[in-house]
Amino acid sequence: EPEVTQTPSHQVTQMGQEVILRCVPISNHLYFYWYRQILGQKVEFLVSFYNNEISEKSEIFDDQFSVERPDGSNFTLKIRSTKLEDSAMYFCASGDLAGARYEQYFGPGTRLTVT
Amino acid sequence: AQKITQTQPGMFVQEKEAVTLDCTYDTSDPSYGLFWYKQPSSGEMIFLIYQGSYDQQNATEGRYSLNFQKARKSANLVISASQLGDSAMYFCAMREGEYTASKLTFGTGTRLQVTL
Repeated sequence: EPEVTQTPSHQVTQMGQEVILRCVPISNHLYFYWYRQILGQKVEFLVSFYNNEISEKSEIFDDQFSVERPDGSNFTLKIRSTKLEDSAMYFCASGDLAGARYEQYFGPGTRLTVT
Repeated sequence: AQKITQTQPGMFVQEKEAVTLDCTYDTSDPSYGLFWYKQPSSGEMIFLIYQGSYDQQNATEGRYSLNFQKARKSANLVISASQLGDSAMYFCAMREGEYTASKLTFGTGTRLQVTL
């Protein structure tokens, strides 16, 4: 069964450094998402991406964040200058409009630790 | 703005018993979709069940069923015949627009512990 993959599974970085989190969505999906979950808290929407542009973003997704689909298969989230409060699990998800549910399929997550 | 409320931070259930996890929602959109996800300690998000706002019947997926009461804006998850492997966090989520690709809004989750 096709699945969303994310790399790395765990990333440790120093405050102020740039990080890129990578995702490979399911191949025929058209909609891509990033969510984050601070430890012990709920999952929060960051951004959605369709047709090579951002379709929606939350207030969390400020100028420090950017997304890109560089090669038609990968979907990346870049944080330019990480802060301590960026420490969280970051989930990539993908979906399409097939089927009755229009379900979003989540990847296993990347745990980002900012020190 | 849409909102999901899960009022039970933690629940215990004995193995083989049924358990209900509560979820209420608030939205002004007449069309929406409701989801339940399971998050085990390993961290991944596992889709369990979906209910569309226009669905006439309650959704069922194996041991999972969704008690959808539209007038009360509730979408409770019922797990029958609990197993030790059901111990996890459970999140209710909503998407505004039933046939759209818009974002999911999650509740704060309920931690379920299944005991012997």
